[in-house]
Formats: sequence, structure tokens, C-alpha cells
Amino acid sequence: EPEVTQTPSHQVTQMGQEVILRCVPISNHLYFYWYRQILGQKVEFLVSFYNNEISEKSEIFDDQFSVERPDGSNFTLKIRSTKLEDSAMYFCASQPRQGGPYEQYFGPGTRLTVT
Amino acid sequence: QKEVEQDPGPLSVPEGAIVSLNCTYSNSAFQYFMWYRQYSRKGPELLMYTYSSGNKEDGRFTAQVDKSSKYISLFIRDSQPSDSATYLCAMRVANNNDMRFGAGTRLTVKP
Repeated sequence: EPEVTQTPSHQVTQMGQEVILRCVPISNHLYFYWYRQILGQKVEFLVSFYNNEISEKSEIFDDQFSVERPDGSNFTLKIRSTKLEDSAMYFCASQPRQGGPYEQYFGPGTRLTVT
Repeated sequence: QKEVEQDPGPLSVPEGAIVSLNCTYSNSAFQYFMWYRQYSRKGPELLMYTYSSGNKEDGRFTAQVDKSSKYISLFIRDSQPSDSATYLCAMRVANNNDMRFGAGTRLTVKP
């Protein structure tokens, strides 16, 4: 069964460094998402991406964040200058079509630790 | 008032018990209601979704939405140890990709 994959599974970085989290969505899916989950807290929507552009973003997704689909398979989240409070699990999700949000398929997540 | 509220538990039940998980919400514009299951160190996995009010059944799982009370429920019948996980409710308005999650309820089903 096709699945969303994410790399790395765990990333440790120093405050102020740039990190890129990578996701490979399910092939032929059209909509892509990033969420984050700070330890012990809710899953929070960051951004949605369709047709090579951001379709929606939350207030969390400020100028330090950017997303890109550099080729036909990868979907990346970049944090330009990491802060301690960016430490969280980051989940990528993909959706096959505009059939509703209930068809979002999540990856296993990348645990980001900022020291 | 938080937009989506969910008791984080933990909730522990014996195998075979009926489990009731609930969320309340404040935004009356929510129209899509989802339940996700999340195992430790894994991403959320969609269990069920409901559009607007009503009930939906899928095997041992039943989802209910009461929009008048702004209250949604997930029932698990004949619970199994493999159901032990964190259950997240999520909801969104129409034509908006911003999905709001509850805090998740950690469930343990003991053999």
C-alpha cells in the first residue's frame, strides 16, 4: 500500500541553523500539507500546498518557514533560523484530490530537536 | 474557550469494553469531523469522518456528530488491546484546508 515517507526520522540542530525536512507524498496525490506537534500538545496545521504554490497557511507559518516541491516527488519544509520553540514532531500529509480533508494521509513524522 | 476541546485522559478499559471518546468545539462553522488514531511514534491515521450532523458506523467504530450541542463522539465496541493508541478528533470548515485537532485521548485496552 502506498504511503507517505519522511526523512530524517530525527534531526538535531543548533539554534539559528537552517533545517530542511523532507517528505515524499503518495504518487499522484495533488495536495500537500505540513503539520507540527509540540510534545504533549495538539497537532497544528502549518501550511497547505497545491499546484506549486501555498494555498493556505496558519499564523505559525511565518517568514522563517518555507515549502517547496523541487521535483515531481519531494515536498520540503525549510526553517531558516531555528528557535528552541521549533522543537516538535513535523508531519507531512498528502491528499489525492479536492475530495475533502478526510483523505489526508500522514507520514510517520520527523522529530526536530533544537538545542 | 478553546476551539476544540478533548480530554487527554489517559483512559484505561478492560478488553471487550465499550469505549466512548468525545470532543466539544466552539466554531459553529465546522462541517467536516474526523477521528484519527495515532500509535506511538507514528503519524495520525484516519479512522472515520462525518460531514455535518449524524451517525456513521464502520465495523466496531461509530462516529456521532451533534452540531446543535457542538459535540462529537467516537464509540468503540468490543475493544481490543490493539486499539490502544491516542485518538485525535479533528474538524474543519468547508473550503478551508486548516484542520483543527483536539489534544488527543490516550486509550489503553488491557487484556
